[in-house]
Amino acid sequence: KAGVTQTPRYLIKTRGQQVTLSCSPISGHRSVSWYQQTPGQGLQFLFEYFSETQRNKGNFPGRFSGRQFSNSRSEMNVSTLELGDSALYLCASSLVLGLGVSSYEQYFGPGTRLTVT
Amino acid sequence: EDKVVQSPLSLVVHEGDTVTLNCSYEVTNFRSLLWYKQEKKAPTFLFMLTSSGIEKKSGRLSSILDKKELFSILNITATQTGDSAVYLCAVDSLANAGKSTFGDGTTLTVKP
Repeated sequence: KAGVTQTPRYLIKTRGQQVTLSCSPISGHRSVSWYQQTPGQGLQFLFEYFSETQRNKGNFPGRFSGRQFSNSRSEMNVSTLELGDSALYLCASSLVLGLGVSSYEQYFGPGTRLTVT
Repeated sequence: EDKVVQSPLSLVVHEGDTVTLNCSYEVTNFRSLLWYKQEKKAPTFLFMLTSSGIEKKSGRLSSILDKKELFSILNITATQTGDSAVYLCAVDSLANAGKSTFGDGTTLTVKP
């Protein structure tokens, strides 16, 4: 079974630009979560999608948004990029059990390394 | 707000040593505690703990949870250089589907 894939793997943007990152979950996994990882802040939760709906959101400004498609693939968008947005963006997928409850294990993709200059 | 604190932040040992990594947490409506290993890539799942006092074991790695004292430990015996990584602890809440709160991690370096 193929793992979680993320594209692109590396990205360099300038301040003020916007960026879209893509995540394809493991086949059959319908929950997709996004995290930002930086040396100073560690792994921080951005948002989680299930069934094309955002179920949970972390403490990030509105410049960070996402969506999920009917095939469970997800995208996240960051508008008006700032230098502080430079980070590794990780996507994780998990199975959804009965009643919409996510299973315990999250499987992470390789991440997209975003550098803002 | 959910919180996870790991200690120590970093650790340097020699091959063959035994290490214990600590994770304490505060979470509303605890569901599970998870340990991950992160090398120069995405975190990989190690253990999931939901019940106190039941040790999970995989080879030289083991982990246990104390839900009364709100902490978990990850033990690695007979360490090898391949164990060098960042070990992340995370907690899940019943109230927040799909959201894990991570600690800052413990960076373990195993020297030959």
